[in-house]
Amino acid sequence: KAGVTQTPRYLIKTRGQQVTLSCSPISGHRSVSWYQQTPGQGLQFLFEYFSETQRNKGNFPGRFSGRQFSNSRSEMNVSTLELGDSALYLCASSLTGGDTQYFGPGTRLTVL
Amino acid sequence: AQSVTQLDSHVSVSEGTPVLLRCNYSSSYSPSLFWYVQHPNKGLQLLLKYTSAATLVKGINGFEAEFKKSETSFHLTKPSAHMSDAAEYFCVVRASNTGKLIFGQGTTLQVKP
Repeated sequence: KAGVTQTPRYLIKTRGQQVTLSCSPISGHRSVSWYQQTPGQGLQFLFEYFSETQRNKGNFPGRFSGRQFSNSRSEMNVSTLELGDSALYLCASSLTGGDTQYFGPGTRLTVL
Repeated sequence: AQSVTQLDSHVSVSEGTPVLLRCNYSSSYSPSLFWYVQHPNKGLQLLLKYTSAATLVKGINGFEAEFKKSETSFHLTKPSAHMSDAAEYFCVVRASNTGKLIFGQGTTLQVKP
């Protein structure tokens, strides 16, 4: 089985722009979770989608949003980018969410 | 609420010597615990998981962890370190039966030749 894929792998944006990141889960997995990794804050949960519905949300501002499609692929959007949004964004998929999560390679976002 | 604390931010060992990475957890019920490893510029790879079936859990690459409820610990061990084990290790607890993982701050393992 193919693993979790994320596109793009690297992204450079400027402050005020918006960005969309994509995550394709392992075939058959219906839960997709997103995490932000920074040197200062570590790994923090953003949100989880299951069957096209947001099931959990972390403590991030409304500029961070996401969605999931009927084929379980998920996108994450960040609007009005700030310098502090520079991070590695990881997505993880699992069958139901309540089981083992498998991570993609991440998207490295740099905001200038 | 669930949380994990990794007791060492950095551990340095010599190749061929044992590895011990320490993790304490806090959970109001029987937790699901994981250890993930992250090599530089890579995503996270699952090393092992505890889901209440057995207290001693064996993972990949010779790693194992023991769940000790009385000590609320889930320490990761390996009998003999290899150079390729140098990486960042994360102890993780799952928040109830959902897709939300709570990560420790990570332990950087350095392996010296």
